[in-house]
Amino acid sequence: GAGVSQTPSNKVTEKGKYVELRCDPISGHTALYWYRQSLGQGPEFLIYFQGTGAADDSGLPNDRFFAVRPEGSVSTLKIQRTERGDSAVYLCASSSGQGAETQYFGPGTRLLVL
Amino acid sequence: AQSVTQPDIHITVSEGASLELRCNYSYGATPYLFWYVQSPGQGLQLLLKYFSGDTLVQGIKGFEAEFKRSQSSFNLRKPSVHWSDAAEYFCAVGFNAGNNRKLIWGLGTSLAVNP
Repeated sequence: GAGVSQTPSNKVTEKGKYVELRCDPISGHTALYWYRQSLGQGPEFLIYFQGTGAADDSGLPNDRFFAVRPEGSVSTLKIQRTERGDSAVYLCASSSGQGAETQYFGPGTRLLVL
Repeated sequence: AQSVTQPDIHITVSEGASLELRCNYSYGATPYLFWYVQSPGQGLQLLLKYFSGDTLVQGIKGFEAEFKRSQSSFNLRKPSVHWSDAAEYFCAVGFNAGNNRKLIWGLGTSLAVNP
């Protein structure tokens, strides 16, 4: 594909529910990143994959958040027992995985927890 | 801890006027430096980046930025602003140290352009 795609574009859920957010990176990109952007803030790093493995998950806020990338391409961010404070835009980015590089971002998924 | 400061939350300029958006970072070594733009409903688009070499970098849409090591700054400039430049601008720093590939972001500067 031409760029990073994310689905759904919008997700409304109720407090306590489970949600999955999907990211399709640019074809051939081995590195994939998840960020969260709250209203009026810059993006905040969550997790970085190199291939199938999570190379840096230091930004995940707690154990309700989990992400996978089983085949080294598509990634899913999973949030259990959602809370109102989880409402934000979740951004996915990918890069070539070769040294210093640019991260290319998808349009984001806007999550609203009621 | 690494941090990025964008001192101006909101800036308004007239169309055709020059623009400078400020960015300062806090980091022991020279990081990689980026400016991204985010329009309503759009994803983050890279304007320009600095990795090494010439400290004045040119980007898309007529933007440029200058890295000043002594001031830990990477300010974004444009000589003549167009109405379509109205958007949110983010400065970010990145690292290439082992598994530390995250970008750390400023809070952003919202740019409004008066006709």
